[in-house]
Parts: sequence; structure tokens; C-alpha cells
Amino acid sequence: GAVVSQHPSRVICKSGTSVKIECRSLDFQATTMFWYRQFPKQSLMLMATSNEGSKATYEQGVEKDKFLINHASLTLSTLTVTSAHPEDSSFYICSAREIQGNPYEQYFGPGTRLTVT
Amino acid sequence: QQQVKQSPQSLIVQKGGIPIINCAYENTAFDYFPWYQQFPGKGPALLIAIRPDVSEKKEGRFTISFNKSAKQFSLHIMDSQPGDSATYFCAARSGGSNYKLTFGKGTLLTVNP
Repeated sequence: GAVVSQHPSRVICKSGTSVKIECRSLDFQATTMFWYRQFPKQSLMLMATSNEGSKATYEQGVEKDKFLINHASLTLSTLTVTSAHPEDSSFYICSAREIQGNPYEQYFGPGTRLTVT
Repeated sequence: QQQVKQSPQSLIVQKGGIPIINCAYENTAFDYFPWYQQFPGKGPALLIAIRPDVSEKKEGRFTISFNKSAKQFSLHIMDSQPGDSATYFCAARSGGSNYKLTFGKGTLLTVNP
């Protein structure tokens, strides 16, 4: 149980275009979803926290107008990278916290590799 | 300011060895300390976690030792196998912070056959 999926797993886009990444909790309802970014050989950096039906809370230094997060339901959150540039190329990972269950645990998705050319 | 310091950055052991990865924290509000394993190109997977009211927790070949007074915790992998070769991250959660996790910088473990 507690499976989180991401789609797509890999995406290549041209500079200036927008890309949407989906994060779904497959077998549980998620009160909170988190979006992380990971550069090669580095740790996970939290970008934002989203709760269903409310606006996301962004970490310091993360541009909310560039990284649009929508948490429209208890099983789906989306991250849209707007006007992507090569420096946005990274591994984006989401995680979800279950409504009922261990309140401490976050279940991570498999990640989405974004390459901006 | 890095709130969770992890060491070493990389570690090489022989099969059967016991790699030890250490983490230290400063924020006494942290109340949950998980360890994650990540393979290249994959998302992190929870290995084992501990709360500060316990000094040690063991699950299979993985053991967490926790020293609350020193604000340190470590991961021990018993009888390590080549399949354990991965990057390991420690993390800490601050109570009341919407359950955000703060990650260490990671340790790249290589287990030679």
C-alpha cells in the first residue's frame, strides 16, 4: 500500500515552454503533498507544501509564479513549471502524507526528470 | 543553515561489512528521524525511522542508534550486500511544521562484492 505515482517519468521541453507534472496517491487519500527538487549528486530540497483545496506554501527562494502548484483533490497534485529554462532542468519528486495512518510518514513518488533544451 | 549534518559523504565497504552513517541535528523541535534509500533515477524509499523517545530501533539488517543528549543519530547496515549500494539520506521532521522534512546531504554507499 501507500503508493505514489508521478507522470511523466521523463520530459524534455524547449526553453520558454511550460511543463506539467502530476503526482497521484494511488491507494490512499493525502492531506498534504510535498514537492522537492533534486540536482545531480545533491540532496532533496523542499520547494513547496500543498494541502488539498488551499494555496501552496512555498519555501524561501522558490518562485511561486514560476512553479505553480495545484492540489485539486485528495489524490492529485500538479506542479507546472512555467516558461522553463535550462537551469530548471532537474529531478522533481513529490511525496504525500496520508490522512489516516502514520502522521509522520511521507510516501515518495518515483520522480520526474525534466530536461529543458 | 544546514539543520541536519550527515557524514561521511561517501563510503566504500566490502560485502559483509557494517557501514555506519552519522547525522547530527541542532533543532530540538525535531520529533521524527527517518532514513531513506535512493537508487539512481528513482525516488527515495523509507528504510527505517525512529522517534526521540527510543535509543535504538532495528528492522532486519538496518539499525538506527539515537542519542538525544548529543543530538545525533546513525544508521548501521549489518551484513551489507552489493545490492545495498545506493545513496542514503537521513532526515528530521519538526513537529507542528506541516510535517516538513529536512534532509541531510546524503551518503553514497558502495558495497564491493
